[in-house]
Amino acid sequence: GAGVSQSPRYKVAKRGQDVALRCDPISGHVSLFWYQQALGQGPEFLTYFQNEAQLDKSGLPSDRFFAERPEGSVSTLKIQRTQQEDSAVYLCASSLGGARDYGYTFGSGTRLTVV
Amino acid sequence: SQQGEEDPQALSIQEGENATMNCSYKTSINNLQWYRQNSGRGLVHLILIRSNEREKHSGRLRVTLDTSKKSSSLLITASRAADTASYFCATDADRTDKLIFGTGTRLQVFP
Repeated sequence: GAGVSQSPRYKVAKRGQDVALRCDPISGHVSLFWYQQALGQGPEFLTYFQNEAQLDKSGLPSDRFFAERPEGSVSTLKIQRTQQEDSAVYLCASSLGGARDYGYTFGSGTRLTVV
Repeated sequence: SQQGEEDPQALSIQEGENATMNCSYKTSINNLQWYRQNSGRGLVHLILIRSNEREKHSGRLRVTLDTSKKSSSLLITASRAADTASYFCATDADRTDKLIFGTGTRLQVFP
């Protein structure tokens, strides 16, 4: 597609429920990044992939968070047993190469509300 | 954690005026980038400046970088109501492929 596509656009989950957020990057983009953005804050790094390899997951807040990109294209961020503090916008971005030489193209994000 | 901090946190100006936002960061960088975020949307890449550059222009945008002070500024000239958004600086912290974003400046441009 022409841009980075994220789904769903909005998700309301009951506390304790598992959720899966999908990111479809720009075709041919090698790098894929997940960020979490709380209201009024800047995006916080969660994890990133180069093709199917997860090179850095240092930003994942707990072992309830899991991300995968099995075929080096679409990625899924899964949150198990959601808590209220997980409420945020989850942003996906892709890049042709690394951040050193290229900017990111972001999707519109998934707004997760845990009630 | 946030690598950069933007200053001011919020800025309100009239159309036609210039807007200046500043960013400070903590560690050495390879490049610094600026992004815009409209309310409820994803971020849009505006401009990238490399550590060996001091100034860069793109349309109405002018970015400066002072690596000795670990700071950057974004100037938007002749602002328009459509420039109303949050602006973030981002750096390639630890010289890795991930970007670390600042806290953002919320710009409001009144018609």
